[in-house]
Amino acid sequence: NAGVTQTPKFRVLKTGQSMTLLCAQDMNHEYMYWYRQDPGMGLRLIHYSVGEGTTAKGEVPDGYNVSRLKKQNFLLGLESAAPSQTSVYFCAIRDSSYEQYFGPGTRLTVT
Amino acid sequence: RKEVEQDPGPFNVPEGATVAFNCTYSNSASQSFFWYRQDCRKEPKLLMSVYSSGNEDGRFTAQLNRASQYISLLIRDSKLSDSATYLCVVRETGNQFYFGTGTSLTVIP
Repeated sequence: NAGVTQTPKFRVLKTGQSMTLLCAQDMNHEYMYWYRQDPGMGLRLIHYSVGEGTTAKGEVPDGYNVSRLKKQNFLLGLESAAPSQTSVYFCAIRDSSYEQYFGPGTRLTVT
Repeated sequence: RKEVEQDPGPFNVPEGATVAFNCTYSNSASQSFFWYRQDCRKEPKLLMSVYSSGNEDGRFTAQLNRASQYISLLIRDSKLSDSATYLCVVRETGNQFYFGTGTSLTVIP
């Protein structure tokens, strides 16, 4: 989906390191979401944003922080990575029909 | 409590077969329903929204049964390219979505 991009595509971190995942959209949507996907558990919502300058907690927010300083970008931060945060992270935007469009994902491994 | 439950499968069907998936949801106040497909190591992609009256898109038909709190997806004349994992997604109220764990489909030549 060319409208939603994620950076980086892959990353390996050591326990305790920090990193920021970037999600960018070119479709001017208000709503943006961060999910994680783990085997056998489906996608789970970490945080979401309903517009520039706003963020809200989802189902599994602990250990993550987010910021939405610009409408086009939604950042997901890990301040002190843990092995339990090894996962595939997907960003999504949502349109007015509640349909979501996902970025290609970031595969994160924490050792 | 799992908000959304799906049979994980796998479903292995021959080309040309008809296959149906069901998904149940726990919150009777749920408002929006969707089917997504996800190919291996790729992002989920919207297949179709599910409307109260049921809806069809080519070989795909989705139905919603609010009384029994389930949604279904029917795929007719299965193609090899239909092989994927199918995710059921429900929006309860507000802005949060709940995903099922997915049903794996393999279409065999």
